Amino acid sequence: SQQGEEDPQALSIQEGENATMNCSYKTSINNLQWYRQNSGRGLVHLILIRSNEREKHSGRLRVTLDTSKKSSSLLITASRAADTASYFCATDDPRLTFGEGTQLTVNP
Amino acid sequence: DTAVSQTPKYLVTQMGNDKSIKCEQNLGHDTMYWYKQDSKKFLKIMFSYNNKELIINETVPNRFSPKSPDKAHLNLHINSLELGDSAVYFCASSQDVPSGGARNEQFFGPGTRLTVL
Repeated sequence: SQQGEEDPQALSIQEGENATMNCSYKTSINNLQWYRQNSGRGLVHLILIRSNEREKHSGRLRVTLDTSKKSSSLLITASRAADTASYFCATDDPRLTFGEGTQLTVNP
Repeated sequence: DTAVSQTPKYLVTQMGNDKSIKCEQNLGHDTMYWYKQDSKKFLKIMFSYNNKELIINETVPNRFSPKSPDKAHLNLHINSLELGDSAVYFCASSQDVPSGGARNEQFFGPGTRLTVL
């Protein structure tokens, strides 16, 4: 199975709600990254969290990392319709390996 | 200014043809990548070059041949195209160490949608 598996595969919420996506991985990592991909576009880097960090914030994004459980979560607060996209986690093992993504739909 | 650019954006061709996709980055990065994204959005690394030198070559058919004339360019040539090659191909770049170590953020191009008929 793949390094960096996101859960859920698809998530549909209303504007203003929070969205949480999870990522699990298998091997030791130096860091974990989250990317967003809008339909028909390339991936855009959102946030990088190092293995010695437990939580990181960037605007409405909050990422946590639990290396004992080999898992990470991405929380988007106060979601907007423009947040509709696929979200991928990527781990370095050592090459950057992407999960299969979570498709987030934010309904206006 | 576009950081990572790819041409063409769309490529429709017949089975058996040979085609190339070009990629350029103006970020001054040392490392460039090619990824293949299938219809289920699974993104798989194909190749990685650091300072024009091949450092990652995943299990990719030898019909795929990357070429890096300089560290700002990484082109992908595909011979004898097959139906299964239909996908979106992304170029990316980053400032990374050549072997192992933590990976920095990658900057992606807009993708090239290849359709083989």
